[in-house]
Amino acid sequence: SQQGEEDPQALSIQEGENATMNCSYKTSINNLQWYRQNSGRGLVHLILIRSNEREKHSGRLRVTLDTSKKSSSLLITASRAADTASYFCATDAVRGTSYGKLTFGQGTILTVHP
Amino acid sequence: DTGVSQNPRHKITKRGQNVTFRCDPISEHNRLYWYRQTLGQGPEFLTYFQNEAQLEKSRLLSDRFSAERPKGSFSTLEIQRTEQGDSAMYLCASSSLKDTQYFGPGTRLTVL
Repeated sequence: SQQGEEDPQALSIQEGENATMNCSYKTSINNLQWYRQNSGRGLVHLILIRSNEREKHSGRLRVTLDTSKKSSSLLITASRAADTASYFCATDAVRGTSYGKLTFGQGTILTVHP
Repeated sequence: DTGVSQNPRHKITKRGQNVTFRCDPISEHNRLYWYRQTLGQGPEFLTYFQNEAQLEKSRLLSDRFSAERPKGSFSTLEIQRTEQGDSAMYLCASSSLKDTQYFGPGTRLTVL
């Protein structure tokens, strides 16, 4: 079953605008990861944020994590047409023996118009 | 290219046939995962290996599915007596103890 839910399901913006995607999850986590997937292809890892971190940056990406609300957000600044893709959050839930099994949400489809 | 590789990239088969997919992880990674993704959904966990040991299998992995990772290197996923519901993208990922999972390009299976 899907643990996370992304919001919105689809987002359409103009090049140069910022895009914000949200993810909610249900159980306690070790970490949360964001991935990008271009149509019909494999997943590209974007960023990992651990449960004891609140914010992380990588280039034009900013990820926040609020473990009290069980939610995360991904901000892409100054978007480009090449950012058009599906974006997934994935959580690594806390278990007795943690081994990194990821549970994905259904994703946000981002379309950036030139 | 030292990323995760998967073969074949596409497989079309008839219902009832057996298929086998291969995954070559990043060489120093001891963890290997298989996921399945259907259209419009996020990937769903199928199974996990640490080195050559298969440590967990999802309920999604029926008796027709089997996975191996001999010698803790590459892995194979076999589906016996394929059904139309098996049509999906099968994704392999690998990681070290640092948790980030790196995915391969996937094998797209179409069962006619």
